Amino acid sequence: GAVVSQHPSWVICKSGTSVKIECRSLDFQATTMFWYRQFPKQSLMLMATSNEGSKATYEQGVEKDKFLINHASLTLSTLTVTSAHPEDSSFYICSANGRQSGEEKLFFGSGTQLSVL
Amino acid sequence: SQQGEEDPQALSIQEGENATMNCSYKTSINNLQWYRQNSGRGLVHLILIRSNEREKHSGRLRVTLDTSKKSSSLLITASRAADTASYFCATATTNTGNQFYFGTGTSLTVIP
Repeated sequence: GAVVSQHPSWVICKSGTSVKIECRSLDFQATTMFWYRQFPKQSLMLMATSNEGSKATYEQGVEKDKFLINHASLTLSTLTVTSAHPEDSSFYICSANGRQSGEEKLFFGSGTQLSVL
Repeated sequence: SQQGEEDPQALSIQEGENATMNCSYKTSINNLQWYRQNSGRGLVHLILIRSNEREKHSGRLRVTLDTSKKSSSLLITASRAADTASYFCATATTNTGNQFYFGTGTSLTVIP
């Protein structure tokens, strides 16, 4: 079945540093990947849609200069949280559309817990 | 705004009982999907129901969709302690193509 790998699973950083999160589709090509943010005990909020070879589409209220997304290949999208601050601490999850058993589904990475000190 | 609300927000039942959670959405959809999330982990796809379907089964899962009321329900029968997790509905809308928006989620606790 389709597998999405996300790395790292947990990162702690100092305020002001930048953090890169990788999302890879391991056994399928993903022309589109999605980045979500989740606060404790809350739902997933779509941050942006990452399109291979083109600029990401950001949801309203999401700062594109703060959350840099690069989708350079059909199997890799990266999210860079630039100049991270404590309020950026959150659980970040990526996903990709894939097809399984004839149905189109979202396959999720295992998530990255970011803690900014 | 991103759509989808679920109720109840939290549900606690005894093992063996059935669990029902509901999802409401705001706009026309192509399909609605249910996902499960264990604490601190990614989401796992459970079941998809298309906008022209009214009911779908998968193992102990039963999903209904009422497009006139813009709502869906997920029923888990004969619950097990291992079903303890958060459950989210996600909608793919006509206007957003393959983007998915998630409901607020139901936290299910199954007591052994």
